[in-house]
Amino acid sequence: GAVVSQHPSRVICKSGTSVKIECRSLDFQATTMFWYRQFPKKSLMLMATSNEGSKATYEQGVEKDKFLINHASLTLSTLTVTSAHPEDSSFYICSARPRTGGGQPQHFGDGTRLSIL
Amino acid sequence: AQRVTQPEKLLSVFKGAPVELKCNYSYSGSPELFWYVQYSRQRLQLLLRHISRESIKGFTADLNKGETSFHLKKPFAQEEDSAMYYCALSGSGGAQKLVFGQGTRLTINP
Repeated sequence: GAVVSQHPSRVICKSGTSVKIECRSLDFQATTMFWYRQFPKKSLMLMATSNEGSKATYEQGVEKDKFLINHASLTLSTLTVTSAHPEDSSFYICSARPRTGGGQPQHFGDGTRLSIL
Repeated sequence: AQRVTQPEKLLSVFKGAPVELKCNYSYSGSPELFWYVQYSRQRLQLLLRHISRESIKGFTADLNKGETSFHLKKPFAQEEDSAMYYCALSGSGGAQKLVFGQGTRLTINP
């Protein structure tokens, strides 16, 4: 089946550090990947839609300069949390939708737990 | 605006009892509805989608456009069904981004 790999699974770092999270589709190509944020006991909130070869589309209220997204290939999207602060601590999840055929469902990664001290 | 509501944060039933997880949505066009499940310490995975009209692990869900609902049902709950369940909506066309409900934690008691 379609597998999405997300790395790292957990990050703990100091305030002011920039953190990069990778999302890879292992056995399929994805023109579109999605980045979500999940607060404790809350639902997944879409942050941005990552489009291969073009700029990401950010949801309202999400700072594009804070959360940099790069989708350089059909199998890799990265999310960089720049100058992270404690309020950025959260669970970040990516998903990818196969490019083949219309209406393909999204496949999710395991998520990255980010803790900013 | 797209919105998905799961009114129950927690649901607890006994093994063998019927289960129904409620999901209501708001969308002006023709939505596509999904149920995702997250078992303990595992990633979110697709359980079923309304367009396939299939039963997965004994679960079914019917899209009721009149009531704007997509409730998830199973006639006889099993202990391994204990998990977090998310209802999600995708609009037609475009990037087909998903909007998730708050989730319902289902616990099946022995």
